[in-house]
This record gives sequence, structure tokens and C-alpha cells, in this order.
Amino acid sequence: AQSVTQPDIHITVSEGASLELRCNYSYGATPYLFWYVQSPGQGLQLLLKYFSGDTLVQGIKGFEAEFKRSQSSFNLRKPSVHWSDAAEYFCAVGDYNQGGKLIFGQGTELSVKP
Amino acid sequence: NAGVTQTPKFQVLKTGQSMTLQCAQDMNHEYMSWYRQDPGMGLRLIHYSVGAGITDQGEVPNGYNVSRSTTEDFPLRLLSAAPSQTSVYFCASRYTKAGRMNTEAFFGQGTRLTVV
Repeated sequence: AQSVTQPDIHITVSEGASLELRCNYSYGATPYLFWYVQSPGQGLQLLLKYFSGDTLVQGIKGFEAEFKRSQSSFNLRKPSVHWSDAAEYFCAVGDYNQGGKLIFGQGTELSVKP
Repeated sequence: NAGVTQTPKFQVLKTGQSMTLQCAQDMNHEYMSWYRQDPGMGLRLIHYSVGAGITDQGEVPNGYNVSRSTTEDFPLRLLSAAPSQTSVYFCASRYTKAGRMNTEAFFGQGTRLTVV
């Protein structure tokens, strides 16, 4: 069955430090991959998406992610974290065999130390 | 452009009560879905719809009903609320016309439901 795993439940980084959030997926075909961010009490906002082509994708707020088919991974990165990046981050895969539903990982909560 | 609008934002129910969570989108999206979010479990799909008159179950459909009489609206009904349905509920919509699946989902702000 299709699945998404985010191994890190909670990560704390210092402001200005680099960030990498891990995402591994299990999907039989070429996946559609997404990263969403959720600020406290808010809905989900799309950070970036991968459908095909260049495996390094750029998103909003200075985030990027790299698709690695051999590792079934789609890790999210940011070179320098800002205090406003503190939020919960969700990786998701789109299952186009089931009407396009999104399968989400468990989420990674990011805390930023001053 | 309002996007996806959910009402209410907060709700407290007693066990056994029924209620309807409302979801409306103004982007003419074909695909709409309901998720519930619980700590440590991410978002789990309850029901989804690929167009007016068409609905299907997700991974956690028990205790919930949906209907899709118009493109814009996709209400979620709790038939007899249980404490296990205490959660945050999100409605989402996507553009999927002509089989396009490589489109992002737009989410509402969520409904925080507590069943006592």
C-alpha cells in the first residue's frame, strides 16, 4: 500500500542554522510529491511540489526539496532557518489511481531556538 | 477569492448528537475531500468526491456521511458523535479536470470538534 513516512516527529534547530526534514514514500509508480506547512491553528499551505523533470524543486519561503527515486525520498531543506519557520511540516504523495487523493506522513514539528 | 471555507471553526458536541460540518469552495474544483488530523497521525482521509453526485470512502469513513449535490459544497455529517471523533477536520479541494492529478490541494482553516 502507498505510504509516507516522516521519521522525525520533532526537530529543534537554532535560528540561522540549516534544516533538513526527511520524507520517505512507498508508491508503485512515479509519484506526485508535496510538502505542506501548518502554522498553529491554521490550515495547510503548499510549500512546493514535484511532478516530473528537475529533481530539485524550489518552493516558497526559501525552501527546496530533492526527489531521489533510488532512495524513495523527498527531503525538505532550507539553508538558514528563521524563527517564523516554526510550524508543523507534512510530506504527502498523490495517488492518481484513487481519484487523486493525498496520502500524508505523520508530520514533523519544527521548533526554532533564538 | 475566498478559496475553501469551513464552518464552524469550533464545535462542542455531546455523545450521540449529530451535526454537519460545512465546506464550500469557489474555485470550481472537481475534487473535494475531508481529512481528520490527530496528534502523531498526520491527516487521514475520511471521504472524497471527484465531482457532483460522486463520493467515495477514504481510510477512516466509519461514523461519517457525505454528499455532493453541487460542485461548490461538500458537507460532512456526523451521524451519532462519539468521543473518538474529537479531532480537527480539514476540507480540501483540487483541480482535477481532464484527469489532471498533478495539482495542489487547497485547504480550509479547519474545524476543531470536541465530543464530550
